[in-house]
Amino acid sequence: GAGVSQSPSNKVTEKGKDVELRCDPISGHTALYWYRQSLGQGLEFLIYFQGNSAPDKSGLPSDRFSAERTGGSVSTLTIQRTQQEDSAVYLCASSLVGGGSYNEQFFGPGTRLTVL
Amino acid sequence: GNSVTQMEGPVTLSEEAFLTINCTYTATGYPSLFWYVQYPGEGLQLLLKATKADDKGSNKGFEATYRKETTSFHLEKGSVQVSDSAVYFCALSRNTGNQFYFGTGTSLTVIP
Repeated sequence: GAGVSQSPSNKVTEKGKDVELRCDPISGHTALYWYRQSLGQGLEFLIYFQGNSAPDKSGLPSDRFSAERTGGSVSTLTIQRTQQEDSAVYLCASSLVGGGSYNEQFFGPGTRLTVL
Repeated sequence: GNSVTQMEGPVTLSEEAFLTINCTYTATGYPSLFWYVQYPGEGLQLLLKATKADDKGSNKGFEATYRKETTSFHLEKGSVQVSDSAVYFCALSRNTGNQFYFGTGTSLTVIP
């Protein structure tokens, strides 16, 4: 079956431009996570969606970052006025249900964002 | 707070050598513990997990035991292969929380 897909796979943009990154989770998965993986760093949690509940935005690094999930499926991460420090691989993951222990996360291949 | 610390890489081993990648954690409550692996050019995938103290997770010859007394979840394999070359991430999840907390990753290269 289809896994988590992300698009684009690579994005090069100029400083100050806005970018949108897309994530298609596995069908039927109610939980969706966004992470950022910077060179030499671990995975940094950004935001979490669970069903129709209000998202957990506690990991978003600034108000330039936002995300939405329409219809409980596809999610878009938007970065406004991009800065060079936003350059990273942005990973999306989904799981069958949200929270804790028993719910394996399935990761997409990531979007590599380069801000010039 | 919740956090995961894993050994710095990169690690380079010869084929058939014994592997240990150390992972320790700090968590409130009783977390579940995971090892994820990222092969070159691929996304992260779950390697193994343990959901309570003294559980042993195992997969593909890798093992890790959830040690509450030492707050550790070290990854081991008795005989590594070239195909095990990848980046390994230790992670925890609190049973009542939304977030997974990942370590910084340890890069392993196995040479023939």
